[in-house]
Amino acid sequence: AQKITQTQPGMFVQEKEAVTLDCTYDTSDPSYGLFWYKQPSSGEMIFLIYQGSYDQQNATEGRYSLNFQKARKSANLVISASQLGDSAMYFCAMRGMNTGFQKLVFGTGTRLLVSP
Amino acid sequence: GAGVSQSPSNKVTEKGKDVELRCDPISGHTALYWYRQSLGQGLEFLIYFQGNSAPDKSGLPSDRFSAERTGGSVSTLTIQRTQQEDSAVYLCASSLSLMNTEAFFGQGTRLTVV
Repeated sequence: AQKITQTQPGMFVQEKEAVTLDCTYDTSDPSYGLFWYKQPSSGEMIFLIYQGSYDQQNATEGRYSLNFQKARKSANLVISASQLGDSAMYFCAMRGMNTGFQKLVFGTGTRLLVSP
Repeated sequence: GAGVSQSPSNKVTEKGKDVELRCDPISGHTALYWYRQSLGQGLEFLIYFQGNSAPDKSGLPSDRFSAERTGGSVSTLTIQRTQQEDSAVYLCASSLSLMNTEAFFGQGTRLTVV
């Protein structure tokens, strides 16, 4: 079975600073994908970044980067130069070959608060 | 449409009543997914559609839950004889295909069973 663990229920960061949101995962799938989603107070889930298990380089999307450490089974999200609009819930998720690529397994999320 | 649209945005219903939740995916997206998010929790996968077909219904919490998709577009999630534990936000997502890395989510339907 797949499992995502996010150990930080809440994180605080000052505007313009960088912040790392932790995510560890457990899977026996040889091939899998890792995702980060942002959920603002409006409720919709916004896709941020994707990392494939066989990707050689860490994924980056603008101010978002994924620190992928396969041996440690971690996929931390790094947000550089935080902005007030980054305040939201952040979810790490994965899907795998054996459990079906159509199903995303989510962690319980981290609430990020960016202060001025 | 421009994004995934869900209706209603909020629904309050009495215990024992049936409810229907609607999802209108992005035009051209063949894959559609339903998730449930209970208060303070992550998302729980319920069911997916490839076209009009739902090959795996094992994620549905009970036989009171059913879903259908017609014309490869709009999907309806139906909950019969609602219970208080059904209270949650029900999120729908769509993607171009099942193998696409990016799924686009709607804003969800907040269901409250009183």
